[in-house]
Amino acid sequence: NAGVMQNPRHLVRRRGQEARLRCSPMKGHSHVYWYRQLPEEGLKFMVYLQKENIIDESGMPKERFSAEFPKEGPSILRIQQVVRGDSAAYFCASSPDRGRVLNEQFFGPGTRLTVL
Amino acid sequence: QKEVEQDPGPLSVPEGAIVSLNCTYSNSAFQYFMWYRQYSRKGPELLMYTYSSGNKEDGRFTAQVDKSSKYISLFIRDSQPSDSATYLCAMTYKAAGNKLTFGGGTRVLVKP
Repeated sequence: NAGVMQNPRHLVRRRGQEARLRCSPMKGHSHVYWYRQLPEEGLKFMVYLQKENIIDESGMPKERFSAEFPKEGPSILRIQQVVRGDSAAYFCASSPDRGRVLNEQFFGPGTRLTVL
Repeated sequence: QKEVEQDPGPLSVPEGAIVSLNCTYSNSAFQYFMWYRQYSRKGPELLMYTYSSGNKEDGRFTAQVDKSSKYISLFIRDSQPSDSATYLCAMTYKAAGNKLTFGGGTRVLVKP
């Protein structure tokens, strides 16, 4: 069973360009989470999605950031008009729906975004 | 003040020693507590998961939660060089759904 897959692993963008980060959850997982990790800091929650629905986007910046998890295909985190402060590692996690209060989250290897 | 505080380290110990890690938190609503291990340039990997106060042991790892003090700990016995990594505590509560709040991580170095 393949783990959570993220691509690209490394992404370089110039200021003002768009960044698209993709996440394929583990097979059978219907919940996806995005976290951002700045250098020397812990992970910060951004958004929680289920298929075709955004459940909690309380950690998303109000502008330039958006996320989707379509019925078919990977989840996408999109950053428009990137700025240098967006440089970070972006991690995706997925969890199954086991009906428990807390479902274990499995993390992908991350996408390291560098904005020049 | 951050919701979850964790000493960044680095914590350097000789092989075979006990590694002691901890986190403090301010939100008394937290009920579920986790420890993740993150190797350099990799994603976090769940090590331990505890609910409410108490102890939990799994092999060389022991997790402790003291909700009255808002303090959690992770102990690694018989440490190995392969335990060298960053250890992140994370926590959440029922109403937060699956949103995890992480500490900043403690870098651990186990010297052979």
